[in-house]
Amino acid sequence: ETGVTQTPRHLVMGMTNKKSLKCEQHLGHNAMYWYKQSAKKPLELMFVYSLEERVENNSVPSRFSPECPNSSHLFLHLHTLQPEDSALYLCASSQYRPDTQYFGPGTRLTVL
Amino acid sequence: AQRVTQPEKLLSVFKGAPVELKCNYSYSGSPELFWYVQYSRQRLQLLLRHISRESIKGFTADLNKGETSFHLKKPFAQEEDSAMYYCALSGDDKIIFGKGTRLHILP
Repeated sequence: ETGVTQTPRHLVMGMTNKKSLKCEQHLGHNAMYWYKQSAKKPLELMFVYSLEERVENNSVPSRFSPECPNSSHLFLHLHTLQPEDSALYLCASSQYRPDTQYFGPGTRLTVL
Repeated sequence: AQRVTQPEKLLSVFKGAPVELKCNYSYSGSPELFWYVQYSRQRLQLLLRHISRESIKGFTADLNKGETSFHLKKPFAQEEDSAMYYCALSGDDKIIFGKGTRLHILP
């Protein structure tokens, strides 16, 4: 598969659960991003990784924990989330930071 | 501070009428500006960037440094233009998105 892929596409979890979102890019890019998209705040940048190093963390609560094991993969580990964390989580990649963003389809997260 | 402002949350335009989606920015250096679009049930994707100076799907955008604006324009709206549009700015190794404008094309 080409471009940016995200799994799972939908996730429902309880507040005490631990889950992970996965993103994979097949574009040979050097930077990867996590965004949160919700009705209240349409597009919020959460984390930025450049060459597998975290370079930006926009005051995101610690219940969200990113991981970038290599330049093609990005994870977002979730634990003890709140209902207000329900949103669409988008992954993106770019050749350099910052540059044109290539977005994945997103994971629709619902926290019960 | 870097900022991108899209003053309209929703813009309704009749089919065939001209479209202008406003974007104003605040940035002290030389920014790079983008427009991204998200059609219903599709992923967010790049529409155009100012350095390319190209027209995509009939849309154009000119960077006006004096007015710090990068408005998106199309002379004749089409129904398939209905979507969410985001203006974005990159500079100093950061990228910032505006809050988006939902464009609704009326038949």
